[in-house]
Amino acid sequence: QQQVKQSPQSLIVQKGGISIINCAYENTAFDYFPWYQQFPGKGPALLIAIRPDVSEKKEGRFTISFNKSAKQFSLHIMDSQPGDSATYFCAAYTGTASKLTFGTGTRLQVTL
Amino acid sequence: DAGITQSPRHKVTETGTPVTLRCHQTENHRYMYWYRQDPGHGLRLIHYSYGVKDTDKGEVSDGYSVSRSKTEDFLLTLESATSSQTSVYFCAITSGTGGGYGYTFGSGTRLTVV
Repeated sequence: QQQVKQSPQSLIVQKGGISIINCAYENTAFDYFPWYQQFPGKGPALLIAIRPDVSEKKEGRFTISFNKSAKQFSLHIMDSQPGDSATYFCAAYTGTASKLTFGTGTRLQVTL
Repeated sequence: DAGITQSPRHKVTETGTPVTLRCHQTENHRYMYWYRQDPGHGLRLIHYSYGVKDTDKGEVSDGYSVSRSKTEDFLLTLESATSSQTSVYFCAITSGTGGGYGYTFGSGTRLTVV
């Protein structure tokens, strides 16, 4: 049972374009939604996170949009750069043992 | 990553042999986790620990066991390795305060079972 569904599985965007990755969740007990970025050969690293009482959070070129009623959230990468090429994971957090449930990941490639 | 190390980084083992992966932290964090990463499945939780000698199962725990005898070390054991356990294994830690977004991941162990 996949509690956090992520799409698309892969994404190719031209340099300067907008990358959009979507996630949906089922468990209303989730109360924090981080995004992780992973480069090849490395572990995932926290990119940006949002609480469900906020509809949008922006950090530089990265923005999370959150729709609590639809149980959906998305990552927007503005002015995408080749250095953004990585795998992105959305996740959802519950206080129970501080557990994170991850989406299946999106492999982003930004072309010149 | 600083404060968390995994060993070994790569391992090839034969089917049926036991394998132990080690996660070591210097952050004195309470919570430690073992995930496996597979294409199309993302990161799936195998086992986690919420204190010394306190562990619990995750969503894909069959065939795996864990131990935590010290705060800094969390061991993952494959009792009898199978080809389906070929994967990249990540350890993660968090203090448990400030929300689960504060996970720090190790660099991973690539395990191949032949």
